[in-house]
Amino acid sequence: GAGVSQSPSNKVTEKGKDVELRCDPISGHTALYWYRQRLGQGLEFLIYFQGNSAPDKSGLPSDRFSAERTGESVSTLTIQRTQQEDSAVYLCASSLDRDDYGYTFGSGTRLTVV
Amino acid sequence: AQSVTQLGSHVSVSEGALVLLRCNYSSSVPPYLFWYVQYPNQGLQLLLKYTTGATLVKGINGFEAEFKKSETSFHLTKPSAHMSDAAEYFCAVTGRGNTPLVFGKGTRLSVIA
Repeated sequence: GAGVSQSPSNKVTEKGKDVELRCDPISGHTALYWYRQRLGQGLEFLIYFQGNSAPDKSGLPSDRFSAERTGESVSTLTIQRTQQEDSAVYLCASSLDRDDYGYTFGSGTRLTVV
Repeated sequence: AQSVTQLGSHVSVSEGALVLLRCNYSSSVPPYLFWYVQYPNQGLQLLLKYTTGATLVKGINGFEAEFKKSETSFHLTKPSAHMSDAAEYFCAVTGRGNTPLVFGKGTRLSVIA
């Protein structure tokens, strides 16, 4: 596609429920990144993919968070048993490869846990 | 490891005045430095980047930044602010072969008419 697409744009969920956030990167971009942006905070790195593998999962805050990528395309970030502190905007970005630092960001998914 | 400090969470300038947003970095390897802008309800957009070569980098919308190794700084400037410049600005750093970008906490720029 022309840009990075994220869905849903907004998600309200009850505490304890599982959520799935989707990212559709630019076609041909092999590197894909997930960040979290809490209110008043900078971007917090979660995980990145080079192709379908995830060399760096160091940013995932707990084992409730997981992500996968298939076909060097779509990625899904899953949060299990959501907590109120998970409320944030989840941003996805892609780049041609890991050495291309001109990330293209999606508009994000605003997650609210009530 | 890399880190970024943005001085001032909120900067307010008058329309037509100089814009100066400060960014200091820490890096154990030669840094690559970036400025991104985020308009309300939009994703981040790359303004400019420094990787190698000329230390004064020009970006979109009249912004520029200068890499000063001795000061570990990469401040963002624009000679004359416009109302449309009101947004959140993020400085980011990485090192060659390192991924991903490490972002600062952002500076919100307000432009007063």
